[in-house]
Amino acid sequence: NAGVTQTPKFRVLKTGQSMTLLCAQDMNHEYMYWYRQDPGMGLRLIHYSVGEGTTAKGEVPDGYNVSRLKKQNFLLGLESAAPSQTSVYFCASSYEPTGTTEAFFGQGTRLTVV
Amino acid sequence: DAKTTQPNSMESNEEEPVHLPCNHSTISGTDYIHWYRQLPSQGPEYVIHGLTSNVNNRMASLAIAEDRKSSTLILHRATLRDAAVYYCILRGKGAQKLVFGQGTRLTINP
Repeated sequence: NAGVTQTPKFRVLKTGQSMTLLCAQDMNHEYMYWYRQDPGMGLRLIHYSVGEGTTAKGEVPDGYNVSRLKKQNFLLGLESAAPSQTSVYFCASSYEPTGTTEAFFGQGTRLTVV
Repeated sequence: DAKTTQPNSMESNEEEPVHLPCNHSTISGTDYIHWYRQLPSQGPEYVIHGLTSNVNNRMASLAIAEDRKSSTLILHRATLRDAAVYYCILRGKGAQKLVFGQGTRLTINP
C-alpha cells in the first residue's frame, strides 16, 4: 500500500521554466491538498480539491495551477518558475472532511529555482 | 476557520512526559481537535484527534478541557524520535480546507 506518492522528489529549475509536480494516492480519497513549506516555517495551503474535476484556491495560490482529472491524481503546475517558489512541496489526501478522518501526506518534493 | 495558538518551542528530557498545549478559544461545537507532527525532513503524520472526551492511542493521549477552549497533547515517555514540530488543528464537519499554524517545535534532550 503506497499511500501518497509525490514525483519527483528533487528538482532544480531555472527562472522562467515550467514544471508539473505529480501527487498520486491509492486510498480512494476524495480530498487532496498541495502545500508549500519554506525553511523554518509551517505548511501553507496552495490549492486543494474536494473531488475529481474540482479545484479551489488555498492561502497562497498565485503562480500555481492545479488539475484533478483523475480521482487518484492531483497535479501542481508552475508555468513560469520564480526564485520565490523555492520550497518543499507536500501533497496530502483525506477521505472526507467529517472531522474524524485523518490526512495522509507524501514525503515532499524539494524544488530549487535558480 | 477557527484558529489555534501554540507555543513556538518546548524542550524536554528523554523518558519524561511531555505536555504540549493548544488554545482554541473560538472552537465551534462540531470542530474536532486534531494533532499532527512533522519529523525532520518528512511530511506531517497524524497523531490523534478528539471531540470532547480524552483520547488515548499508541502514540499519545489527548486531554480536552471541559469548555473545549484548550487541549493538551501528552507524550507519556518521550524518546529522541519524538523530536518534531507538533501541529494542533481544528477540523469541522464539512470543512474543506486543512490549514496548519506554526506549530510547536519539540526538542528532546538525551
